[in-house]
Amino acid sequence: SQTIHQWPATLVQPVGSPLSLECTVEGTSNPNLYWYRQAAGRGLQLLFYSVGIGQISSEVPQNLSASRPQDRQFILSSKKLLLSDSGFYLCAWKPPFPLSEQFFGPGTRLTVL
Amino acid sequence: AQKVTQAQTEISVVEKEDVTLDCVYETRDTTYYLFWYKQPPSGELVFLIRRNSFDEQNEISGRYSWNFQKSTSSFNFTITASQVVDSAVYFCALSEAYSGGGADGLTFGKGTHLIIQP
Repeated sequence: SQTIHQWPATLVQPVGSPLSLECTVEGTSNPNLYWYRQAAGRGLQLLFYSVGIGQISSEVPQNLSASRPQDRQFILSSKKLLLSDSGFYLCAWKPPFPLSEQFFGPGTRLTVL
Repeated sequence: AQKVTQAQTEISVVEKEDVTLDCVYETRDTTYYLFWYKQPPSGELVFLIRRNSFDEQNEISGRYSWNFQKSTSSFNFTITASQVVDSAVYFCALSEAYSGGGADGLTFGKGTHLIIQP
């Protein structure tokens, strides 16, 4: 069966510090991968998606970036965090076509102080 | 552009009552998918159901049922005989049909916080 991991589970970082969140998927190959952010009191917003190694598409301009160095690894980064980067970050994966549902990881709760 | 509206921010009912969560969507796509996810206090989103735009048949799974009406662009979710364990935030979501380009991220509503009181 497939599983998705995210770490760390929680993170408290000062403004201006760097960020690296990691997501890995097990039990599947060539998945589509996604990063979403859930800010307090708001819905989930798609940040990045990837259909393959090294292929990243951004949905919202921001000071965050994503990378996919391996087939089942997806990394969310920032060089300098802003207060507005605080939120709950969820990684998701989707099997190749024709299935369409996405399956989510446990999330990382980021607080920027 | 796609949009999902969940007008009910919070619903509170007493256990064993039936409750319906509303979802209205907007899309220009002729083929699309609709989803419901559950987010318990732990935070992880749990997939509940997917519905294809060309399939308007309603679905029942145990105490859960979904009513998809393309004419009104609605995809409502009903829990029958609610239980305390149903307490969570429920999200309705929309995606275009897979185009091969990978641009099939989900557009979420803002969620409905469902509270089931014992």
